[in-house]
Amino acid sequence: ILNVEQSPQSLHVQEGDSTNFTCSFPSSNFYALHWYRWETAKSPEALFVMTLNGDEKKKGRISATLNTKEGYSYLYIKGSQPEDSATYLCACFMNYGGSQGNLIFGKGTKLSVKP
Amino acid sequence: SAVISQKPSRDICQRGTSLTIQCQVDSQVTMMFWYRQQPGQSLTLIATANQGSEATYESGFVIDKFPISRPNLTFSTLTVSNMSPEDSSIYLCSVEVERTPTALYQETQYFGPGTRLLVL
Repeated sequence: ILNVEQSPQSLHVQEGDSTNFTCSFPSSNFYALHWYRWETAKSPEALFVMTLNGDEKKKGRISATLNTKEGYSYLYIKGSQPEDSATYLCACFMNYGGSQGNLIFGKGTKLSVKP
Repeated sequence: SAVISQKPSRDICQRGTSLTIQCQVDSQVTMMFWYRQQPGQSLTLIATANQGSEATYESGFVIDKFPISRPNLTFSTLTVSNMSPEDSSIYLCSVEVERTPTALYQETQYFGPGTRLLVL
């Protein structure tokens, strides 16, 4: 079973709080981990692509880490702002069943930041 | 990057009818994909739209239910046929601008804003 799990399902924080959430995936047959941000009524927007164990990426106040051996990635938001409110999706690129490989998405973590 | 538009943005349809969703990209792209997200579920790949040939469907999805066209490198359509309430979902088009065969797992996908479909 090729499951990508995200936790928590939803998160409510106050403006200025820092927060983090988790993406877990099968560590075997791993190629890459993608993070997306999806604001309501907008297109999902790519944040990071990570491939190497121990990789860390940063974009402004948002950063992500990757552990391919144990099969998880963390996304961190420092000093959350109301405009960070969105659903954060992670997707694992997997090659399975003879296919060329595709992105397998988690259900997402819905973040709400209150002013 | 790529800018993607979808039409319609939302629709309410009666069961048994069909709806065609259009996806337009502002530049020529290598790969085009169709996804759906059912309520409370993950974004799931329906098929890869191939230019000039039949789409490649994922397990659980068939051409009779989800016929796809891709007449050129900037446009694709997805039809949801003989709809039932279980087809109520958000349908998204995505693209990869280019694809490097030796590193396709790193390619960023750019998504359209989605089509929100409710089937009564």
